[in-house]
Amino acid sequence: EAQVTQNPRYLITVTGKKLTVTCSQNMNHEYMSWYRQDPGLGLRQIYYSMNVEVTDKGDVPEGYKVSRKEKRNFPLILESPSPNQTSLYFCASSLSSLGGGELFFGEGSRLTVL
Amino acid sequence: AQSVTQLGSHVSVSEGALVLLRCNYSSSVPPYLFWYVQYPNQGLQLLLKYTTGATLVKGINGFEAEFKKSETSFHLTKPSAHMSDAAEYFCAVSESDSWGKLQFGAGTQVVVTP
Repeated sequence: EAQVTQNPRYLITVTGKKLTVTCSQNMNHEYMSWYRQDPGLGLRQIYYSMNVEVTDKGDVPEGYKVSRKEKRNFPLILESPSPNQTSLYFCASSLSSLGGGELFFGEGSRLTVL
Repeated sequence: AQSVTQLGSHVSVSEGALVLLRCNYSSSVPPYLFWYVQYPNQGLQLLLKYTTGATLVKGINGFEAEFKKSETSFHLTKPSAHMSDAAEYFCAVSESDSWGKLQFGAGTQVVVTP
């Protein structure tokens, strides 16, 4: 089954404790991206990757890191989480290398930072 | 840089009535425009998109949208609402020359009443 898989789905952590949210897709997609969803703000793009070893900042990259060493994986790293990073996070991927392609979303990871 | 505005954070419609969700965008180059739907506790899924060509685009579940360049709009409509249309709807825009950066609107929650 074609899918984007995120882990963990739910996480409660404390300020400053490094964490990684994994994202894996099995569709051989070139493009992958991370978003955070907050009430009243919609989805805001954190980072995106057009291909392996190519990453770029979205609108809200502060406090986050990403890497794209393999085509299928695009982990989101919070080196020192803070309470304002409490949010619902979505990973998405797309086949299109020309733009305008459909994004396929994971089911989301709900993160709480105390 | 592109931006998108959705008018109305909540819309209530009667079953069988017209659904109209408004989206206006700004973009300095030809845009790619999308509507996504999010059902409770799920990721987003694509309803329809405009990249080039015909300005009236049809999507899944009976939805359609019209790209109006002169009005910088991409409103979503469905002639007759169904109970299953209750969800949150997001308009999104990317610029054709830097399509990796995708901007979402704040979302419109649709409630369908019997």
